Amino acid sequence: GAVVSQHPSRVICKSGTSVKIECRSLDFQATTMFWYRQFPKQSLMLMATSNEGSKATYEQGVEKDKFLINHASLTLSTLTVTSAHPEDSSFYICSARAHQGEHYEQYFGPGTRLTVT
Amino acid sequence: GNSVTQMEGPVTLSEEAFLTINCTYTATGYPSLFWYVQYPGEGLQLLLKATKADDKGSNKGFEATYRKETTSFHLEKGSVQVSDSAVYFCALIYNQGGKLIFGQGTELSVKP
Repeated sequence: GAVVSQHPSRVICKSGTSVKIECRSLDFQATTMFWYRQFPKQSLMLMATSNEGSKATYEQGVEKDKFLINHASLTLSTLTVTSAHPEDSSFYICSARAHQGEHYEQYFGPGTRLTVT
Repeated sequence: GNSVTQMEGPVTLSEEAFLTINCTYTATGYPSLFWYVQYPGEGLQLLLKATKADDKGSNKGFEATYRKETTSFHLEKGSVQVSDSAVYFCALIYNQGGKLIFGQGTELSVKP
């Protein structure tokens, strides 16, 4: 089956620094990837849609200058949290969209736990 | 707009009990429907899916049937195990290229 990896799985950083999270589709190409944020005991909140070779589409209320997304190849999208603050601490999950016959499916990465101190 | 509503958790069951987690949706047209499972500290795994009315998705003993007349996609399992303890998310994609819309998640805890 389709596998999506994320790196790192956990990261702790100091307030004011930037953190980059990678999302890779390991055995398929994904022109579209998605970035989600999940707070404890809550559902996933879509942050942005990442399209290979073009600018990401951000959901309402998500700061594009704060959460930089780059989708430079068909198998890699990165999310950079710039000037991180404690309120950015969260579980970040990516997914990659794959074509399955007539339909699309999304395959999710294992998530990255970000803690900002 | 399109939305998904799940029954509130947490749901606590004894091992071998019957499980139902209700899911209803609001959408125009014919969305594809999904159940995802999230084990503690992990990302989401696709559990099962159905792409058209009356389809039944099944996997690992879990089943859900796409009911257009009741706009529902309830998750069922005849005999749960402790290892089924997780958070379950119902979701839909309204069109083929669209975004996944998630329900709020239902936490399941199975006690031995």
